[in-house]
Amino acid sequence: AQSVSQHNHHVILSEAASLELGCNYSYGGTVNLFWYVQYPGQHLQLLLKYFSGDPLVKGIKGFEAEFIKSKFSFNLRKPSVQWSDTAEYFCAVRIGRALTFGSGTRLQVQP
Amino acid sequence: DVKVTQSSRYLVKRTGEKVFLECVQDMDHENMFWYRQDPGLGLRLIYFSYDVKMKEKGDIPEGYSVSREKKERFSLILESASTNQTSMYLCASSTGPGTTGELFFGEGSRLTVL
Repeated sequence: AQSVSQHNHHVILSEAASLELGCNYSYGGTVNLFWYVQYPGQHLQLLLKYFSGDPLVKGIKGFEAEFIKSKFSFNLRKPSVQWSDTAEYFCAVRIGRALTFGSGTRLQVQP
Repeated sequence: DVKVTQSSRYLVKRTGEKVFLECVQDMDHENMFWYRQDPGLGLRLIYFSYDVKMKEKGDIPEGYSVSREKKERFSLILESASTNQTSMYLCASSTGPGTTGELFFGEGSRLTVL
């Protein structure tokens, strides 16, 4: 069965630090890739998605992710985090109709 | 905006009770999903439906059933609740084949089974 691995379970950063969250998946075929974010007390929202084309994808709030097919990776990046980025981040892979999610990374940004 | 509405935000039930979780979406989406979210485990797919009266098992269907009698409504049923079903339940919907498959989520239903 396909799986999604997020290596960082809990990340603590200071404001203005750079962020990179790792995501790897195990599936050799064509995939659609997603990053979702869940702010405290809110529902899951889409940050960005990769469907095809340019492997560098830009999303909302200054986030971006790079799809590296040879490494089965889709890492999330942001050059300078803000306190408001404190949230839980989930990587997901679509194969067929449903999405398979990683275990999530809790990001805590300290002012 | 797509709206996915889950009927109950918080529920407390006793072991052995039958539990219904309701979900309604207002964008005529073909696909609807039920996930459960647990700390450290992320989201795990319980069941999904790609059409009225059609359903498919996800990764953890044991102890659950679903019903989709109308396109906009997808219900999750716990026939006999157990303490290990204490969790956050998330409903989601998406459009059909040929699209990116982005999911739109509801606010979640936090179920506690005593």
